[in-house]
Amino acid sequence: SQQGEEDPQALSIQEGENATMNCSYKTSINNLQWYRQNSGRGLVHLILIRSNEREKHSGRLRVTLDTSKKSSSLLITASRAADTASYFCATDPNAGGTSYGKLTFGQGTILTVHP
Amino acid sequence: NAGVTQTPKFRVLKTGQSMTLLCAQDMNHEYMYWYRQDPGMGLRLIHYSVGEGTTAKGEVPDGYNVSRLKKQNFLLGLESAAPSQTSVYFCASSYSGVLNEQFFGPGTRLTVL
Repeated sequence: SQQGEEDPQALSIQEGENATMNCSYKTSINNLQWYRQNSGRGLVHLILIRSNEREKHSGRLRVTLDTSKKSSSLLITASRAADTASYFCATDPNAGGTSYGKLTFGQGTILTVHP
Repeated sequence: NAGVTQTPKFRVLKTGQSMTLLCAQDMNHEYMYWYRQDPGMGLRLIHYSVGEGTTAKGEVPDGYNVSRLKKQNFLLGLESAAPSQTSVYFCASSYSGVLNEQFFGPGTRLTVL
């Protein structure tokens, strides 16, 4: 089953604009992670936010987490053409026992940044 | 360091044939994972391993078997391929399961006719 639902499914913007992607999930989590996938390539880890954190920054990335609403957002500021990729949220569910990193991925948001 | 590598990159099978996908990592990671990615869907976990000699089922394990005889290698086997197993397969590894990012290989594109 898909734990995460991402919105929008596709996003098209101009270089320099900000891009915001949202992720909702269903169950309690240990952490939430965002990954990027360029066309035809493997996934690359962007950022991890723990369940007790509300906001995290990494370079031009800003991630928020609202556990009461079971949602997260990824903001990419001052986007570049090289940011064109698919972005996935992944949750590490808190099942009450040891976490083995069994991530559950959303369907992803396809981001296109036009030069 | 090569990171996570996968062999082969592409493969076409006929229904009923068998094959093994190889994943290797040179980062001395304990945890390894096999996912499949289908169009319009996120990755789904097939099997995973928390250390050499251990394996466990993920979300979609049916039709697949795995082995982790050496810490650096994680093999995914299809004993009798079916068209429903046409997918892109990704291997990943992490230092531990908790609060650790996963490092992904480049993927294997498998088509079952």
